[in-house]
Amino acid sequence: GENVEQHPSTLSVQEGDSAVIKCTYSDSASNYFPWYKQELGKRPQLIIDIRSNVGEKKDQRIAVTLNKTAKHFSLHITETQPEDSAVYFCVVTGTASKLTFGTGTRLQVML
Amino acid sequence: EPEVTQTPSHQVTQMGQEVILRCVPISNHLYFYWYRQILGQKVEFLVSFYNNEISEKSEIFDDQFSVERPDGSNFTLKIRSTKLEDSAMYFCASSLNRGREEKLFFGSGTQLSVL
Repeated sequence: GENVEQHPSTLSVQEGDSAVIKCTYSDSASNYFPWYKQELGKRPQLIIDIRSNVGEKKDQRIAVTLNKTAKHFSLHITETQPEDSAVYFCVVTGTASKLTFGTGTRLQVML
Repeated sequence: EPEVTQTPSHQVTQMGQEVILRCVPISNHLYFYWYRQILGQKVEFLVSFYNNEISEKSEIFDDQFSVERPDGSNFTLKIRSTKLEDSAMYFCASSLNRGREEKLFFGSGTQLSVL
């Protein structure tokens, strides 16, 4: 089955700094890569996604990059704010609508 | 925005007991899913369901688990004889269509504690 590796497992940044989370995957047929944010005790929520025909996508302070040849993709958050503190999961879609989650990155934005 | 709702939010049960977790997917969605998350770990796929039958299931979804859509609105996950290791947050999700790029909407989860 699909194997998704995510790094780092924890990340602390000062407010206003940037945060980068990286993921690698194993199935070269994967072509859709969403990122989910999960605040403590709450449901995972989709924050951004990227398709394999695109190398980069940006939505305000959040951007994702994809290198399909190397099978890795990254989440970039600029100008971090305290409300960005959460666990972030990279996800790879395997068979139709089956999500394989990465191991998660706990991001803490410090004042 | 429409939401997937789950009940109960917390469920405590004794080992060996049966539990039923309930979900009401978004009304016009056709595909339904259960995921689980053991404390501090990643979210894991359990099962997908469409047209009153299981589409796909993971190795976690053994004979102790079953899913059902008993009426037009509810989608349930039953664990027949709970084990300590079944303790986890269980998320229901639904989607309008089926496909690799289809957005899944997650419920707020049921925290199951098996004592």
